[in-house]
Amino acid sequence: GAGVSQTPSNKVTEKGKYVELRCDPISGHTALYWYRQSLGQGPEFLIYFQGTGAADDSGLPNDRFFAVRPEGSVSTLKIQRTERGDSAVYLCASSLDRVTDTQYFGPGTRLTVL
Amino acid sequence: AQTVTQSQPEMSVQEAETVTLSCTYDTSESNYYLFWYKQPPSRQMILVIRQEAYKQQNATENRFSVNFQKAAKSFSLKISDSQLGDTAMYFCAFGEDSGSRLTFGEGTQLTVNP
Repeated sequence: GAGVSQTPSNKVTEKGKYVELRCDPISGHTALYWYRQSLGQGPEFLIYFQGTGAADDSGLPNDRFFAVRPEGSVSTLKIQRTERGDSAVYLCASSLDRVTDTQYFGPGTRLTVL
Repeated sequence: AQTVTQSQPEMSVQEAETVTLSCTYDTSESNYYLFWYKQPPSRQMILVIRQEAYKQQNATENRFSVNFQKAAKSFSLKISDSQLGDTAMYFCAFGEDSGSRLTFGEGTQLTVNP
């Protein structure tokens, strides 16, 4: 079956602009996660959805970052007033139910803020 | 907070030989899961192997096996008969049974030489 997909693959934007990053999880997976991976580092947790609700958003760095999953499937990560420090690869993952079920990752979106 | 440490930023091995990647972690939890993920230049994080902490038997997946030492909080990955396609960044990750995220190490860049 289809894996996790993310669009766009690459996004270049200017400082101060608004961006949306999309994640399509594996069909039937109720758990969805966003991670951010800076160059040369491991992924860092941002937010975890169980169904439509954000079960843990403690990893979001500040209130410029927001994520939604209105129908319990596709999720969108939204970043307002982008800053150069937001440049990173944003990874999405999904798992069947619990966080300790295997997480399957998408290919990521590389965000570059000029 | 849980931490995951990978003390080898880079490693190299000759094709067909065996290599071991190290990982240590710190937690006060008793129920947790450990993972090794592989990330080639394509950015796609691919699960290599997982280990449940309550299982004493070390996990094995074909050429990949782990040495899980719970008391020492150590979780190393052994790759046998290394292949050129094993060249990638390898990340060790930790997940609590009751948690909401994976915590990743900083990664080990493995290069398999012909």
